Amino acid sequence: SQKIEQNSEALNIQEGKTATLTCNYTNYSPAYLQWYRQDPGRGPVFLLLIRENEKEKRKERLKVTFDTTLKQSLFHITASQPADSATYLCALSGMNYGGSQGNLIFGKGTKLSVKP
Amino acid sequence: DSGVTQTPKHLITATGQRVTLRCSPRSGDLSVYWYQQSLDQGLQFLIQYYNGEERAKGNILERFSAQQFPDLHSELNLSSLELGDSALYFCASSQGLVGEQYFGPGTRLTVT
Repeated sequence: SQKIEQNSEALNIQEGKTATLTCNYTNYSPAYLQWYRQDPGRGPVFLLLIRENEKEKRKERLKVTFDTTLKQSLFHITASQPADSATYLCALSGMNYGGSQGNLIFGKGTKLSVKP
Repeated sequence: DSGVTQTPKHLITATGQRVTLRCSPRSGDLSVYWYQQSLDQGLQFLIQYYNGEERAKGNILERFSAQQFPDLHSELNLSSLELGDSALYFCASSQGLVGEQYFGPGTRLTVT
């Protein structure tokens, strides 16, 4: 079955530095990969989507890479701020259950803490 | 605010009981998804509906069922509740069958 690993449960960095989060997956070739942010007790918030034929995607201070050979995605937050502190979830498009790949398979997340 | 609404926000009930969780998707979204989040399991996909029809199913227990109505709102029914069903239940919606999903605030279910 598909397996997703987000390498660190927690990541602590200093304000202004670049945070790099890793997502690895096995036994699977997803059509796309997404990153979400989740604050305690709240629903995940969509950040970025990258397709299997794309290498890199950017949005403001966020950058995602997708290496289908390594089966890995890297998520970067540049010039990090304390407000970026949250849990970041990697999600892969699901297997083709009943003709749809809409469902997402989530990693367990990396809790990022940005210290001032 | 994602535009997805869920009710109730909190639910406390006893083992063996049945509850219904409700979700209204963002305006214009045709897909609704249900996820369960517990501390040890993370976010787990339960089921997806698209324009009223079931389109994908995850590891949803037989005690759980869902439906999507003509106005596109969805309900998740949980019956014969067990202590282990205590979790956050999220609804999400997307415009089409695939793509980015917008999550509601969740319903926190506590089974005592």
